[in-house]
Amino acid sequence: AQTVTQSQPEMSVQEAETVTLSCTYDTSESNYYLFWYKQPPSRQMILVIRQEAYKQQNATENRFSVNFQKAAKSFSLKISDSQLGDTAMYFCAFQETSGSRLTFGEGTQLTVNP
Amino acid sequence: EADIYQTPRYLVIGTGKKITLECSQTMGHDKMYWYQQDPGMELHLIHYSYGVNSTEKGDLSSESTVSRIRTEHFPLTLESARPSHTSQYLCASSEWGEAEKLFFGSGTQLSVL
Repeated sequence: AQTVTQSQPEMSVQEAETVTLSCTYDTSESNYYLFWYKQPPSRQMILVIRQEAYKQQNATENRFSVNFQKAAKSFSLKISDSQLGDTAMYFCAFQETSGSRLTFGEGTQLTVNP
Repeated sequence: EADIYQTPRYLVIGTGKKITLECSQTMGHDKMYWYQQDPGMELHLIHYSYGVNSTEKGDLSSESTVSRIRTEHFPLTLESARPSHTSQYLCASSEWGEAEKLFFGSGTQLSVL
């Protein structure tokens, strides 16, 4: 069974600074998909960024980027120029193949301080 | 605007009551999911459906049941609620494809007294 581990239950960062959230996973598959989801307080969970394992280039979405290290099975999220609205719970997720169910990590609570 | 809706947003009920949590999506997605989430904790998949008349149990054992009579509607029912059912329940949907994006509802916070 696939596992997803987020070793940082809580993190904080000052506004405008950069923060990196860690995620590791375990799989024997060579192709799979990785995601970061954001759950703001009392609001809907939304997709932040996604990565296909067969793509070597790291995904980027505006201030959000990932560092995908396939050999190390690591998938960290970097948030640049942090904003107060980035305060949320962040979940790393793994999908083994297209159509299979997602496995979520335990989550990291990020607080952006003014 | 395409979206996914959950009602009620909050529900407080007594032990033994039967409840149904509603989930509807307007995106025409075949795939729908129910997750259970305790405060500040990870999500646990309890039910999913890949289309009309298709329902499966998820990774976490649950005493709830689901139905999928229409594509857009995926209600979750608890026949006899207990305090151990107190949790947040999140509904989500997605369409078939690579690196599928899940669309989540706002959740139902259930408290069973």
